[in-house]
This record gives sequence, C-alpha cells and structure tokens, in this order.
Amino acid sequence: SQELEQSPQSLIVQEGKNLTINCTSSKTLYGLYWYKQKYGEGLIFLMMLQKGGEEKSHEKITAKLDEKKQQSSLHITASQPSHAGIYLCGADKGDNYGQNFVFGPGTRLSVLP
Amino acid sequence: NAGVTQTPKFQVLKTGQSMTLQCAQDMNHEYMSWYRQDPGMGLRLIHYSVGAGITDQGEVPNGYNVSRSTTEDFPLRLLSAAPSQTSVYFCASSYSYGSTYEQYFGPGTRLTVT
Repeated sequence: SQELEQSPQSLIVQEGKNLTINCTSSKTLYGLYWYKQKYGEGLIFLMMLQKGGEEKSHEKITAKLDEKKQQSSLHITASQPSHAGIYLCGADKGDNYGQNFVFGPGTRLSVLP
Repeated sequence: NAGVTQTPKFQVLKTGQSMTLQCAQDMNHEYMSWYRQDPGMGLRLIHYSVGAGITDQGEVPNGYNVSRSTTEDFPLRLLSAAPSQTSVYFCASSYSYGSTYEQYFGPGTRLTVT
C-alpha cells in the first residue's frame, strides 16, 4: 500500500521566517494534495500537483512536486501567525475514481509573533 | 451553500453502545468519504461512496457500516462502540474534473468511547 511520510513532524518558527515541509511517497504519485487543518476544524484544500516538476503558488505558499513524482515540498515565505496549523499531504492511489485516498501524518506548524 | 455538515460535533459513548454519525452535503457531489484521524497517523479512510447506492471499504472499515440512499447523505454507523474507536471523524465530499478531484471536508465529530 502507498504510504506518505512527512517531515518535520512539528515546526516552530518566528514570524517572518521561511519554512519548508516535505512529503515523501514510497510509490509514484498520481496526484498530490496539500491541506491545512486548524485545531478542532476540518481540512482546507490548499493546492494539488499532478505533473512531475510542477510548481504552484497561492499567496505566500508554494508547493512543488519533483520530477520523479515521489516527493513534494510546501514552502511558506515570510510566515505569519495565520499560517499556524497542521499541514497534511494526501495522495490519490490512482484507482477507484480517485476515492482511495491516503494522507501523511501531518506537520504541526507554530508561528511565534 | 452549507457545504459539508456533520452532527454531532461531540459524542461520548460507553463500550458496546451503537450510534450513527450524520453527514450531509448540498453541493451535489457524487463522491463521499469517511475518515478517522488519530494522533500521529493522519487521516485514514474508513468507507467511501461513488454515488447513491454504491459504497466500498477503505483502509479501516471494521466496526463501521455505511449506506448511501441519497446523494446528499452519507451516515456512518458504529455497531458496537469500542475504546479503539475513540477518534475524530471527518466526512468529505468531492467531485472530479478531468483526472483530478477536489475534496471538501466537514468540521468533524469528536468521539470518545469509555
């Protein structure tokens, strides 16, 4: 079965600093999704990557998928307290209409003002 | 649109009790899923549905039943609650476009089994 690993497990940064979260798969990814979760709330979709070498940005968050489609990184520039939360990567197993989905364990981000 | 709604928000059960977690979406999405989230393990898929009348098992289906009689509703039933089912449960609905799809998550139900 496909497994996703995330690093680091948790991260504490000072406001204004840049940071990177990594997601690694044991198999080639058909689609890699990044979500953000605030404590006690559901997941919010951030972005989705599908092609090797693809890069997408939204506001101060940039996500990349490597050429081999087995590793993705999420980079936050000039972090703010509003960026705090749990970041999860998810991947489509590539079968059953895309409904068989797996998630990484998450990276807990704290941003100190 | 209300999006994906879940009830209840919190629930405490005793071992052996049964209950149903409700999930509804008003976006006319074909696909719906149930996940459980446990510390350090991310979200794990319990059951999913690709349309009314069609359901299938995910990674951790034991102890749970689902049905999908309408497009809008996808209830999750715990048949005989066990402490191992203490978790946060998320329902999601999704639609596909091309070869990708986008999931929308409900706010979650926090379940404790004593």
